[in-house]
Amino acid sequence: DGGITQSPKYLFRKEGQNVTLSCEQNLNHDAMYWYRQDPGQGLRLIYYSQIVNDFQKGDIAEGYSVSREKKESFPLTVTSAQKNPTAFYLCASSMDRNTEAFFGQGTRLTVV
Amino acid sequence: GQQLNQSPQSMFIQEGEDVSMNCTSSSIFNTWLWYKQEPGEGPVLLIALYKAGELTSNGRLTAQFGITRKDSFLNISASIPSDVGIYFCAGQLYRDDKIIFGKGTRLHILP
Repeated sequence: DGGITQSPKYLFRKEGQNVTLSCEQNLNHDAMYWYRQDPGQGLRLIYYSQIVNDFQKGDIAEGYSVSREKKESFPLTVTSAQKNPTAFYLCASSMDRNTEAFFGQGTRLTVV
Repeated sequence: GQQLNQSPQSMFIQEGEDVSMNCTSSSIFNTWLWYKQEPGEGPVLLIALYKAGELTSNGRLTAQFGITRKDSFLNISASIPSDVGIYFCAGQLYRDDKIIFGKGTRLHILP
């Protein structure tokens, strides 16, 4: 089945540790995105990538890093520099910049 | 940054009623998207709109891309209990790669 997979669904980390969230898609999509969602809030763009080996900062990139070494993978690292990392993280992909985005199931990160 | 103003923020309606929600912006959009999100899940695409004035239906859902390219609405007819959730509008800005989201409309259905 084609789709976009995020793992794990729930993640717990201690404060001060870096953590990497996985996002894989087998839809052959060029564009991939990472969003953050806080309770009762909309989605805020962290990073996006339109093509392999290239990515751009979104509105809230500070404290996060990404890589796009393969078309199907766009991992997000939440670094210790992110002041408030506990949130629901959503990965999405789209065929290109002009088409609709499809989302994964999300990863809920809790930092204690 | 650019913003999408989505309203209403929440709605309480009776089962069987029609629902209307909208998004507006001061910016021009190439694409409008409407998503539904259920608790703990990723948003699911409901309708995609690509052309100013376009009116598209998906079952009981109807959405339109505003003529000015700065707004869109979503209507749900004859609401049922499984319509409960958060509805998000999203738009791709003219001359930009990003897709930005509204803050969502939380729909509650009273028995």
